[in-house]
Amino acid sequence: GENVEQHPSTLSVQEGDSAVIKCTYSDSASNYFPWYKQELGKRPQLIIDIRSNVGEKKDQRIAVTLNKTAKHFSLHITETQPEDSAVYFCAASGTGNQFYFGTGTSLTVIP
Amino acid sequence: GAVVSQHPSRVICKSGTSVKIECRSLDFQATTMFWYRQFPKQSLMLMATSNEGSKATYEQGVEKDKFLINHASLTLSTLTVTSAHPEDSSFYICSAREGTLRETQYFGPGTRLLVL
Repeated sequence: GENVEQHPSTLSVQEGDSAVIKCTYSDSASNYFPWYKQELGKRPQLIIDIRSNVGEKKDQRIAVTLNKTAKHFSLHITETQPEDSAVYFCAASGTGNQFYFGTGTSLTVIP
Repeated sequence: GAVVSQHPSRVICKSGTSVKIECRSLDFQATTMFWYRQFPKQSLMLMATSNEGSKATYEQGVEKDKFLINHASLTLSTLTVTSAHPEDSSFYICSAREGTLRETQYFGPGTRLLVL
């Protein structure tokens, strides 16, 4: 089955700096890669996603890049704000439509 | 749009009892729903995939007789934790996939189960 690894597990940045979270996956058949943000005790919320036929996608301060050959994808948050503090999960999905999540990154933005 | 509800939000039960958790898609039809389990400060672990009108597909290591899943309609899936024990205490989250063309999953708010 699919195995998704995520790094780092914790990340602290100063407000206004950028944050980068990286994930790798094992199944070359995976073709959809969403990123979710989860605040404490709340449900995961989709923040951005990318499909395997695209190398990069951007939505305001958030961007995701995908390298299919290397089987890794990254989340980039620019101009971070305190409200960006949360746990971020990457996931990979293939033909079975199941999501396999990374281990999560706890992001803290220091004001 | 794409709202998923879950009930109850939290439940405390005695060891040996069964607990049912409901997952509903409120404004769309969900042909597929998923059940996850999340331990504190850990990731979401997929337990099973639930397709409307058919048997659920369980992930390796998940006991199907322990975690009964029913997906009787396009808007409702239920997870029943049978003969619950303290080790079953966890945060259970469902998600729903809208239709068959879009991959996006929308998550419910989760159910915190505590088994005494």
